[in-house]
Amino acid sequence: EVKLQQSGDELVRPGASVKMSCKASGYTFTDYAMHWVKQSPGQGLEWIGTIIPLIDTTSYNQKFKGKATLTADKSSNTAYMELSRLTSEDSAVYYCARSLAIYYYSSFDYWGQGVMVTVSS
Amino acid sequence: DIQMTQSPASLSASLEEIVTITCKASQGIDDYLSWYQQKPGKSPQLLIYDATSLADGVPSRFSGSRSGTQYSLKISRPQVDDSGIYYCLQSYSTPLTFGSGTKLEIK
Repeated sequence: EVKLQQSGDELVRPGASVKMSCKASGYTFTDYAMHWVKQSPGQGLEWIGTIIPLIDTTSYNQKFKGKATLTADKSSNTAYMELSRLTSEDSAVYYCARSLAIYYYSSFDYWGQGVMVTVSS
Repeated sequence: DIQMTQSPASLSASLEEIVTITCKASQGIDDYLSWYQQKPGKSPQLLIYDATSLADGVPSRFSGSRSGTQYSLKISRPQVDDSGIYYCLQSYSTPLTFGSGTKLEIK
């Protein structure tokens, strides 16, 4: 059974950084890309970026360049996203989602449960 | 960037109706189009990929189609459990872009 287990909700101070994880199980981690998606409160979905763990290659939405950093650890089948210089605009739920294929240009077939990030002093 | 114009923003339908939600792409996307259902407090779930292919475990009352650059999700004889928010996604080119969502209520 494919599962994406994300880390817990975060309460962080403005200006700080946060790093969240997405542990994959039930499939070969390097056979698929991993996407990250933002959902602001009561809003729709935004693609942040994608990492191809096999070759450690990333593609980012220009809007999130400098804000998000995607990495992957093949030894632990875990994808990570770090968000830096947090502001209230970064308060949202963040999802990891497996790509249906190894490359960026594919649909998202499995999703993590989401991490709620709250930026507040 | 490719814009995905999704409509309607919301709709209410009965169990006997056929529900249709559309997404119009601002340019050709070669069927790199998928549909997702999201229920309150839950993660989105894949329904349709490659415009017309039904994802594993998704009931056959869901179907996808294309006409030009307009893509449609159809739900035939919807169930109450089909209530939720539906999104389309184009994965033809980066940045990948979602439609704005359709809130569906089944009465």
